[in-house]
Amino acid sequence: EVQLLESGGGLVQPGGSLRLSCAVSGFTFSSYAMSWVRQAPGKGLEWVSTISASGGSTYYADSLKGRFTISRDNSKNTLHLQMNSLRAEDTAVYYCTKVEGYSSSWYFDYWGQGTLVTVSS
Amino acid sequence: QSVLTQPPSVSGAPGQRVTISCTGSSSNIGAGYNVHWYQQLPGTAPKLLIYYNTNRPSGIPDRFSGSKSGASASLAITGLQAEDEADYYCQSYDSSLSGVFGGGTKLTVL
Repeated sequence: EVQLLESGGGLVQPGGSLRLSCAVSGFTFSSYAMSWVRQAPGKGLEWVSTISASGGSTYYADSLKGRFTISRDNSKNTLHLQMNSLRAEDTAVYYCTKVEGYSSSWYFDYWGQGTLVTVSS
Repeated sequence: QSVLTQPPSVSGAPGQRVTISCTGSSSNIGAGYNVHWYQQLPGTAPKLLIYYNTNRPSGIPDRFSGSKSGASASLAITGLQAEDEADYYCQSYDSSLSGVFGGGTKLTVL
């Protein structure tokens, strides 16, 4: 059974940093690209970032402007999202997702339960 | 303002058929990129419903179907049931933005 378990969310002040993690089981982690997708309260889904299976290629939403860094540890079956210079508009539930499909035709076939990040003073 | 445009809401009575549209442009759906659909039940994570325009993952009832034409795609739900009440999102690839989602459509079963 595929399981994706996010952690690391919480309350952080504007300008602060937070590191999200996603522990994965049930499939060969090192064979699949992974992504983060977020959802602001009462809003729709927003793609955040994708990392290739090897970790050698990363992709980000333009709106993040270099503040977020996605990474993975294939030896520990773990995905990370380092978030810096956080703003109120980054407040959202962050979902870890398994990516299926080929580049330019990705889709997200498994989702974690999400972790809430709240940016507020 | 989402790159892919969906109607904010649709509704239908039990047993009826409803469709949800997803309109893109020449840089995403119109460029030939595939469309995928997700269902998000209240208070839960999204779930994959349709991939590569028309394909259903195992376990998804055949009441759900997808189609794509030009720069638009549609999700059809037949034999509407109360448990279908949820938010539905389309997703594709955009040549300038990578992954993109529609704004979501809330389905109400009357």
